[in-house]
Amino acid sequence: EPEVTQTPSHQVTQMGQEVILRCVPISNHLYFYWYRQILGQKVEFLVSFYNNEISEKSEIFDDQFSVERPDGSNFTLKIRSTKLEDSAMYFCASSRMGALTPLHFGNGTRLTVT
Amino acid sequence: AQSVTQPDIHITVSEGASLELRCNYSYGATPYLFWYVQSPGQGLQLLLKYFSGDTLVQGIKGFEAEFKRSQSSFNLRKPSVHWSDAAEYFCAVGADRDDKIIFGKGTRLHILP
Repeated sequence: EPEVTQTPSHQVTQMGQEVILRCVPISNHLYFYWYRQILGQKVEFLVSFYNNEISEKSEIFDDQFSVERPDGSNFTLKIRSTKLEDSAMYFCASSRMGALTPLHFGNGTRLTVT
Repeated sequence: AQSVTQPDIHITVSEGASLELRCNYSYGATPYLFWYVQSPGQGLQLLLKYFSGDTLVQGIKGFEAEFKRSQSSFNLRKPSVHWSDAAEYFCAVGADRDDKIIFGKGTRLHILP
């Protein structure tokens, strides 16, 4: 069964550095998402992306965050200047026809900001 | 805006016992409701969903959930749990004008042998 893959599985970075989290969604999916989960807390929506543009974003997704689909297969999340509070597990998800159709999640990237 | 409450952070049941995980939602219109499961080290997987129609929905792995509009609830049940059901379970709500679903805080299920 096709799956969403995320790399790296664990990223450690220093505060103020830029990070790029990478995701390869399922190939025939058209809708893409980033969620994050701070340790012990709920899974929070960050952004949804369709047709090469952001369709929705949360208050968390401020100017420090950006998403891109650079080559038709990858879907990336960039954090320009990381803060300690960005430490979390970041999940990429994709779906065929939007958030009300099953979201297929990757295994996540654990980001640790020191 | 929609929201989800899962009142139980941890639940422990014995293998073979029945299970009910609670979920309450807040949304003005008819909600779209989901249960996802997260096994250790993995992403979330859809167990079942409710959009409309029969209020008792069946999902994968022997799970079912019942939508009760009067109680704003969508509780997940399983008649007999297996050790492999140990995981974290997330209730979620969506709306047809939004391209996102909102998750609750999750309930971690522990299974006693």
